[in-house]
Amino acid sequence: AQSVTQPDIHITVSEGASLELRCNYSYGATPYLFWYVQSPGQGLQLLLKYFSGDTLVQGIKGFEAEFKRSQSSFNLRKPSVHWSDAAEYFCAVGGSGTASKLTFGTGTRLQVTL
Amino acid sequence: SAVISQKPSRDICQRGTSLTIQCQVDSQVTMMFWYRQQPGQSLTLIATANQGSEATYESGFVIDKFPISRPNLTFSTLTVSNMSPEDSSIYLCSVVPGSIYEQYFGPGTRLTVT
Repeated sequence: AQSVTQPDIHITVSEGASLELRCNYSYGATPYLFWYVQSPGQGLQLLLKYFSGDTLVQGIKGFEAEFKRSQSSFNLRKPSVHWSDAAEYFCAVGGSGTASKLTFGTGTRLQVTL
Repeated sequence: SAVISQKPSRDICQRGTSLTIQCQVDSQVTMMFWYRQQPGQSLTLIATANQGSEATYESGFVIDKFPISRPNLTFSTLTVSNMSPEDSSIYLCSVVPGSIYEQYFGPGTRLTVT
């Protein structure tokens, strides 16, 4: 069965500091990996995705993520965090075909201090 | 991408009653999903809403409790039946528009059962 682990429940960073959110996955085949962001009272917004090819993927809002097959990881990074980045971040894994349904991690809540 | 709307955005319901949540998409999509996000938790897939056939439910979810309709390629409803306080959650619909590998979410329906 597929699963996602986000080991950090809550992270606090200062505005302007760099950010890395961790995500480890378990999937029996080539995974499709996603990062979503959920602002308070909002739905989920897709930040970026990895399907194949270049293991470093760029997303919206200045985020990037790196797929490391050997570590079963897909960590999200941003070089300089803005106060508006405070939100809940979810990593998800899925597959092709009928497995396009997603399995989500438990989320990491990001707090940004000024 | 796709523009997804849900109605109602929130509701407070009494124990034992039912609520029907609507999901409308601005374009025809093949795959639609319904998720539940319990307070402070991650997202859990309830079912895949199939157009022209019965929904496919995930383990732990049954049609009698969560009947789903999908009359066409732009619309679906989820009913939460015989509600109890444990059903208090955010319910989100999602769609896979053109690409089978990207999933977009509606804003969610926040349900409180008293």
